[in-house]
Amino acid sequence: QQQVKQSPQSLIVQKGGISIINCAYENTAFDYFPWYQQFPGKGPALLIAIRPDVSEKKEGRFTISFNKSAKQFSLHIMDSQPGDSATYFCAADAGGSEKLVFGKGTKLTVNP
Amino acid sequence: DGGITQSPKYLFRKEGQNVTLSCEQNLNHDAMYWYRQDPGQGLRLIYYSQIVNDFQKGDIAEGYSVSREKKESFPLTVTSAQKNPTAFYLCASSVTWDGSYEQYFGPGTRLTVT
Repeated sequence: QQQVKQSPQSLIVQKGGISIINCAYENTAFDYFPWYQQFPGKGPALLIAIRPDVSEKKEGRFTISFNKSAKQFSLHIMDSQPGDSATYFCAADAGGSEKLVFGKGTKLTVNP
Repeated sequence: DGGITQSPKYLFRKEGQNVTLSCEQNLNHDAMYWYRQDPGQGLRLIYYSQIVNDFQKGDIAEGYSVSREKKESFPLTVTSAQKNPTAFYLCASSVTWDGSYEQYFGPGTRLTVT
């Protein structure tokens, strides 16, 4: 119930391509879904987040798509760049808990 | 500059020794967290504190201890009872406003125990 399942574990994309990372959850109490980006040896940084009242949120080249009925959400990186190469984590939080549950991460490599 | 600082960046200890990892924030956040990160395991919550002088166990608290005597400080002690202490440790703090919530991470401390 508390898990967030993330796939794929690793992803290789050519420069200019679209990177897609998927997450699924079971706990219907989750109401906040952030994505974090982490570079090697650094702490994760918040990239973009969504709440269930919207089905999509876009910030620059990064888009979250949210499917409440399927209990799935995904991160799309358009026009992927080598500088996007990092590990991406999805997470979820149940309202008021202030305690995130993280997926296991996706290592993205964007080849030049 | 506002943010979360963790020190040191790298820490080496001998097996059987306790070690304390520092975490300080000047963001005036009430809640603070400690996570452990291992390759392929994501981030696992060790302890969290939502207010000074109060803290709760996370998913993997065994072998760890914390204190929260000041709002800006949340040190983590890795005790000799922790069977596999070598890992990357991340401290975080969070803020909630108008129904929104954000959690910010420090740069991490890599602990190696031999």
